[in-house]
Amino acid sequence: SQTIHQWPATLVQPVGSPLSLECTVEGTSNPNLYWYRQAAGRGLQLLFYSVGIGQISSEVPQNLSASRPQDRQFILSSKKLLLSDSGFYLCAWTLARTSGISYNEQFFGPGTRLTVL
Amino acid sequence: KQEVTQIPAALSVPEGENLVLNCSFTDSAIYNLQWFRQDPGKGLTSLLLIQSSQREQTSGRLNASLDKSSGRSTLYIAASQPGDSATYLCAVRGGGPQRGGSNYKLTFGKGTLLTVNP
Repeated sequence: SQTIHQWPATLVQPVGSPLSLECTVEGTSNPNLYWYRQAAGRGLQLLFYSVGIGQISSEVPQNLSASRPQDRQFILSSKKLLLSDSGFYLCAWTLARTSGISYNEQFFGPGTRLTVL
Repeated sequence: KQEVTQIPAALSVPEGENLVLNCSFTDSAIYNLQWFRQDPGKGLTSLLLIQSSQREQTSGRLNASLDKSSGRSTLYIAASQPGDSATYLCAVRGGGPQRGGSNYKLTFGKGTLLTVNP
């Protein structure tokens, strides 16, 4: 079965510090991968998605970046955090093509709660 | 640009009641629609996925319907229980590049916060 991991679960960082959040998927290959942010009182905002190794699409211009160094690994980074980067960060995946489970059903990881002080 | 609206924003019901959550979207050229549940401080759990060619999907006490032409979906929860208390989110996937959109991305509503009282 497929499993998605995110770490750390919680993170408290000072303004101006770097950030690295990691997401890995098990039990599938060539997934589409996504990073979302959920801020308090707001909906889910898509930040980045990737359809393959080294292929990153950015949805919102900001001081965050994403990388996909391996097929099932997706990393969210920042060189200098801002207060406005605080939020709940969720990684998600879908199958890239028809398979035994529902096509294009999206599955989410447990999330990382980031607080920037 | 696709917009997804969920009504009501919050709902409180007594245990055992049947209830309906509503979701509407502005662009009917969708690939599929997905309902999720989110518990406080947790990730999203997929409940039901309806492809654009389908009218409804059922899982246990949950039934989701889709009327693509009118841009609406409903999530019906039968015999609600306190354990059903959570935020329920609706999301639509775009119709693909051939329809001017991307089928890689989901557009989410802001959710309905459901409280089922014992």
